[in-house]
Amino acid sequence: AQSVTQLGSHVSVSEGALVLLRCNYSSSVPPYLFWYVQYPNQGLQLLLKYTSAATLVKGINGFEAEFKKSETSFHLTKPSAHMSDAAEYFCAVSGNRGGSNYKLTFGKGTLLTVNP
Amino acid sequence: KAGVTQTPRYLIKTRGQQVTLSCSPISGHRSVSWYQQTPGQGLQFLFEYFSETQRNKGNFPGRFSGRQFSNSRSEMNVSTLELGDSALYLCASSAGLAVTDTQYFGPGTRLTVL
Repeated sequence: AQSVTQLGSHVSVSEGALVLLRCNYSSSVPPYLFWYVQYPNQGLQLLLKYTSAATLVKGINGFEAEFKKSETSFHLTKPSAHMSDAAEYFCAVSGNRGGSNYKLTFGKGTLLTVNP
Repeated sequence: KAGVTQTPRYLIKTRGQQVTLSCSPISGHRSVSWYQQTPGQGLQFLFEYFSETQRNKGNFPGRFSGRQFSNSRSEMNVSTLELGDSALYLCASSAGLAVTDTQYFGPGTRLTVL
């Protein structure tokens, strides 16, 4: 069984400040981890993914995340927030998609607000 | 390349009715997954299809069903609608089943059950 916990349903930062969105996972198999972003009235867009290669993963729009097995974490960061980053962010975990028990399991989401 | 398209975008139904939602994947993509998004339960996996075969199913009642056609287009059907079925239904497509195959999501169909 796999699960994801996102700490903080709502995070508020000032423009130019560091963005840190927290994600902890639980998985009985080596996990694959993802961060998605959802803008209002839109679907999900993949920001980045960890698939057991480099532990520091760089994504789009200046975001990156570090896989830490010892902490079972995959926190999302961005050095400097921009107003356009305001959206809801979802962390997700999956097993091997070729397996019969594949599915993406999402966290509850974190709403990021960026203040001018 | 056109993205994932879902039709209709908005739908209003009454309890007891049935509904069919459609998803057209990105050209060349053979895998289609469906998710339900609600404020209370968040994003939940419904099912995944690959080459017209259902490969995985989430924990939803049998009222939820789907299928995939030879052109990879997919439909999901919900019969005997309940108020709790009100949700945003998201479809995602990917080229294949490798974990490195990115899943691209459509804009969703917002279903309201009255």
